[in-house]
Amino acid sequence: AQSVTQLDSQVPVFEEAPVELRCNYSSSVSVYLFWYVQYPNQGLQLLLKYLSGSTLVKGINGFEAEFNKSQTSFHLRKPSVHISDTAEYFCAVTHNNNDMRFGAGTRLTVKP
Amino acid sequence: NAGVMQNPRHLVRRRGQEARLRCSPMKGHSHVYWYRQLPEEGLKFMVYLQKENIIDESGMPKERFSAEFPKEGPSILRIQQVVRGDSAAYFCASSPRLTGSTGELFFGEGSRLTVL
Repeated sequence: AQSVTQLDSQVPVFEEAPVELRCNYSSSVSVYLFWYVQYPNQGLQLLLKYLSGSTLVKGINGFEAEFNKSQTSFHLRKPSVHISDTAEYFCAVTHNNNDMRFGAGTRLTVKP
Repeated sequence: NAGVMQNPRHLVRRRGQEARLRCSPMKGHSHVYWYRQLPEEGLKFMVYLQKENIIDESGMPKERFSAEFPKEGPSILRIQQVVRGDSAAYFCASSPRLTGSTGELFFGEGSRLTVL
C-alpha cells in the first residue's frame, strides 16, 4: 500500500517570500500524486495533480510541484506567497482511485 | 450548485445519541468516499462506496459506524452511541467512474460533529 509523509507540520513565512512544502511518498507501483488546499472551515480543493508526462506540474494560484521519481518526492512550491495563501496543504497519493492516502498536512502561515 | 453537498454542516450530539451525516455526490459521480479529520491530524480514509455496494471499509471502526449509498438518495454515514472521541470533521468526496477517471476526488465542505 502507498503512504505519504509531509515533513513539516507548520511552515511560517513572510509575505512575498518563496515557500516549499515537502512531500515524500512510498509505493511499489506507479502512482498519481495530488496537492489539495483546505481553507478554514472548508473542504479540500485541488491545487494540482501529477498523472504522467512532464514532471513539473503547474496548478492554481501560482503553485507548482515537481515529481521526482528517484527521490519519491512531490514538493509544492510558490515563488512569492500572499496572505491569502494561509491554509492547510495536503499531499495525497493513489494508484487506482480506490484508495487515496493523505499526508498529515502542512499548515502554511503567511505573515505580513 | 453542482458540487458535493454535505449536511448538516454542524451537528451537536450528546454521548449515546446517534449521528447521521449525509452526502450527495456531484452529478454523474457514482463513487463516494468518507474521510475523518481529527484536530491537528490529516484525513483518514474510512470507507469507499458505489451505488448499493461497499467497496472498501478498511478504515471504518468495527463498531458503531456504518455507511450506505442507496440506489436513490444520498450516501449516509451513521454513528451510533456517539462518544466524545467521535468529535471530528467528516468529509465526503466523490469521483466519476473509474474508467477514464483522472484519479481526482471532489470534496464537500464537511460535517463537523461535536459530542458533548
